[in-house]
Amino acid sequence: GENVEQHPSTLSVQEGDSAVIKCTYSDSASNYFPWYKQELGKRPQLIIDIRSNVGEKKDQRIAVTLNKTAKHFSLHITETQPEDSAVYFCAASLGTASKLTFGTGTRLQVTL
Amino acid sequence: NAGVTQTPKFRILKIGQSMTLQCTQDMNHNYMYWYRQDPGMGLKLIYYSVGAGITDKGEVPNGYNVSRSTTEDFPLRLELAAPSQTSVYFCASSRGGDTGELFFGEGSRLTVL
Repeated sequence: GENVEQHPSTLSVQEGDSAVIKCTYSDSASNYFPWYKQELGKRPQLIIDIRSNVGEKKDQRIAVTLNKTAKHFSLHITETQPEDSAVYFCAASLGTASKLTFGTGTRLQVTL
Repeated sequence: NAGVTQTPKFRILKIGQSMTLQCTQDMNHNYMYWYRQDPGMGLKLIYYSVGAGITDKGEVPNGYNVSRSTTEDFPLRLELAAPSQTSVYFCASSRGGDTGELFFGEGSRLTVL
């Protein structure tokens, strides 16, 4: 089955700096790559996703890039703010059942 | 819309006891899922369903059972609880097809002692 590795497990940045989280996947047939944000004690929520026919997608301060050849994708957050502090999960899936395989998460801490 | 609703939010079980985690959604989604979240391990898929009457195993199904008699409800049954089942459980739903977004419930924290 699919295997998703995520790095780093923790990341601390100063407010205003950029943060980058990287994921690799094993199944070259995977075609959908979402990112979820989970604030402390809350439910995961989708923040951005990308499909395999697209190389990059942006939404305000967040962007995701996908390299199909290397089987990796990354989340970029610019101008970080304290409210960006959370655990971020990448995921990959293929097929119509929307079965996602999640990475192990990155705890992002934005310090003042 | 309430979205995805899970009950209970917290539960403590003794080893060997059984219980059912309830999940209901009011978005008319065909797809529903149960995940467990352990510290540092991400979310692992336990069972999923693509429609009423249809269920299938995920990555970690042992010790659990599910049913899907209606579109709205997808209960998760724990038989003979074990300490290894101590976790936070999330139910989720999605429309399916080309839309992969999962809508999660608030989670249920289960402790088995």
